[in-house]
Formats: sequence, C-alpha cells, structure tokens
Amino acid sequence: EVQLVESGGGLVQPGGSLRLSCVASGFTFNGYAMSWVRQAPGKGLQWVSSISAGGVSTHYADSVKGRFTVSKDNSKGILYLQMNNLRAEDTAVYYCASALCPGGSCYSVWDYWGQGTLVTVSS
Amino acid sequence: EIVLTQSPATLSLSPGERATLSCRASQSISSYLAWYQQKPGQPPRLLIYDASNRATGIPARFSGSGSGTDFTLTISGLEPDDFAVYYCQHRSDWPLTFGGGTKVEIK
Repeated sequence: EVQLVESGGGLVQPGGSLRLSCVASGFTFNGYAMSWVRQAPGKGLQWVSSISAGGVSTHYADSVKGRFTVSKDNSKGILYLQMNNLRAEDTAVYYCASALCPGGSCYSVWDYWGQGTLVTVSS
Repeated sequence: EIVLTQSPATLSLSPGERATLSCRASQSISSYLAWYQQKPGQPPRLLIYDASNRATGIPARFSGSGSGTDFTLTISGLEPDDFAVYYCQHRSDWPLTFGGGTKVEIK
C-alpha cells in the first residue's frame, strides 16, 4: 500500500525557515517524480514544486522560487521541502504527492497524496 | 502562465442528477488536463488524467472530455459521496496550475 506521510509543519515567524519531510513507502520511490502542492485555509490548490525521479530536475512556482528548495533522498525514501524567508502568504497545508507514472513515464499529475502538514507563518 | 477557469463556481444538484463541470484554459493545452475531487479535511483524489482517462479505481460515472482550451467533467448520476469540490489541473508546461474549483452541493 502506498503511503506518504508529511511532517515538519508548524508555526514560524515571518522570515523564518522550516523543512518539511515526506516519508514514502509501498512503492519504488526512486522511480517516481514527486511534488509539493499547498492549500491556503479555505482556498484552492496551488502547485509549489516538483522534482524528477532521480532528483536532478526541479521546478518551482514563481511565488516560491529562490526561497524554497525541493530534494529527495532516494536511499531513504524521503522527499523534502526546505522553506526559507517565509511569508504570511505561505500559510497553508502542504501536501506531498507522487506522480502518475504509467508505463514508466511520469506525468505531472498526482495519484497518491499525503494527508498534509500545516505551515502557519505569523508573528 | 496558463490560467484555468472553472465554471460554475457552485453547482446545486440532487442525487441522481447529471453534473457537468467546465474548465477553460487561457491557451491550448492539448489534452494535458486532469480532474481531482476533494472533500473537506482530505487530500485531493485524482479522477481523470489527459482529459479522458479515468484513474485507477474511479467509477465509470465519472467521464472527461475536451481538448485544446475547453474541457468538461461529467458525473452521470450523482451519488451522495460525489458532493465535493472539483479541481482541474494542466500539465502542459511549467508552471503547473489548477483551476479555482467547482463545488458540487446538494440541492
């Protein structure tokens, strides 16, 4: 059974940093691209960042570029999101999600999601 | 950035009725559109990818159509479990974006 479990969220002051983790199990982690998607309270979904299966290629939303860094440790089965210089508008539930990979090619759509971890940026 | 516009914002229907949800892209995205369902307190659930392909385990009452800029999610015969918020998302290019969502509520 595929499981994605996020952790690392919490309350942080503006300008602060947090590192989110997503522990994956039940699938061959090194064969899957992964992403972070966030949802501000009462709002819609916003894609944040994606990383290729091997961890070489990364992409970011403009709103987080230069502040957030995505990485994955394929030996441990963990996805990370390092978030620096946090702003109030980064307040959201952060979901990690695994890409749909039919036939070995991964698409930037997500068929497995974690339950999310809440990040609150406030003084 | 490709903007996805969903309509209507809210759809009020009764169980058993047919739901038709629309998603319009600001430029052509070929067939690179997905649909998700989200219920309160839960992560999204992938329903449809590449416009018309049902994800694993998704009931046949969910169907998707469209290409280019206009897409439709149809739920034929709403069941009580289907009342939720639905989002479209494209994978045509970076950055990936979602539509604003359509809430399907019980009339």
